[in-house]
Amino acid sequence: AQSVTQPDIHITVSEGASLELRCNYSYGATPYLFWYVQSPGQGLQLLLKYFSGDTLVQGIKGFEAEFKRSQSSFNLRKPSVHWSDAAEYFCAVGAQVLTGGGNKLTFGTGTQLKVEL
Amino acid sequence: DAGVIQSPRHEVTEMGQEVTLRCKPISGHDYLFWYRQTMMRGLELLIYFNNNVPIDDSGMPEDRFSAKMPNASFSTLKIQPSEPRDSAVYFCASSSSLGLSNQPQHFGDGTRLSIL
Repeated sequence: AQSVTQPDIHITVSEGASLELRCNYSYGATPYLFWYVQSPGQGLQLLLKYFSGDTLVQGIKGFEAEFKRSQSSFNLRKPSVHWSDAAEYFCAVGAQVLTGGGNKLTFGTGTQLKVEL
Repeated sequence: DAGVIQSPRHEVTEMGQEVTLRCKPISGHDYLFWYRQTMMRGLELLIYFNNNVPIDDSGMPEDRFSAKMPNASFSTLKIQPSEPRDSAVYFCASSSSLGLSNQPQHFGDGTRLSIL
């Protein structure tokens, strides 16, 4: 069974500073990896996804993530954080299910990002 | 384009009452997922449907929980009878299997449920 670990529960950064949120996964095959962001009172919004190919993927809002198979990691980065980036961030791994195809996601526990002005 | 629509956004009810949560997936999506989010357990997958058929309900916590998808544009999650420990935010998500496999799931804004 797949699993996702987000080792940082809370992270605080200053506005304009760089950001890296860690994500480690466990899965027996090639993983399908996602990062979602959740603002207070809102649902989860997809930031970016990795299926195959280039290991550095670009997402919305200036975020990027790098897949490193050797480290079983998929860390999220942003070079300069804005106050509006304060939210909770979830990493997820998708498994190809057999019945009907498609994916079943397992989420990490999330990292709460606080941005200091 | 309309996203996943959930109703109600908030629900407060007394223990023992029946609760029905509703979801309208994105048009054309053939997968629908129900999740529960709590501080203690994070995001948990309760059940998912493919082409209106329940595929995996192993995450449904008890027989008090049931979910249906009578057609491609509507699903319900019902709790009967409700208990205070059911208080959580319930999310619905949908995705498509067309084209690339493992299309991302698109989430609704959730229903915040409080059982008194």
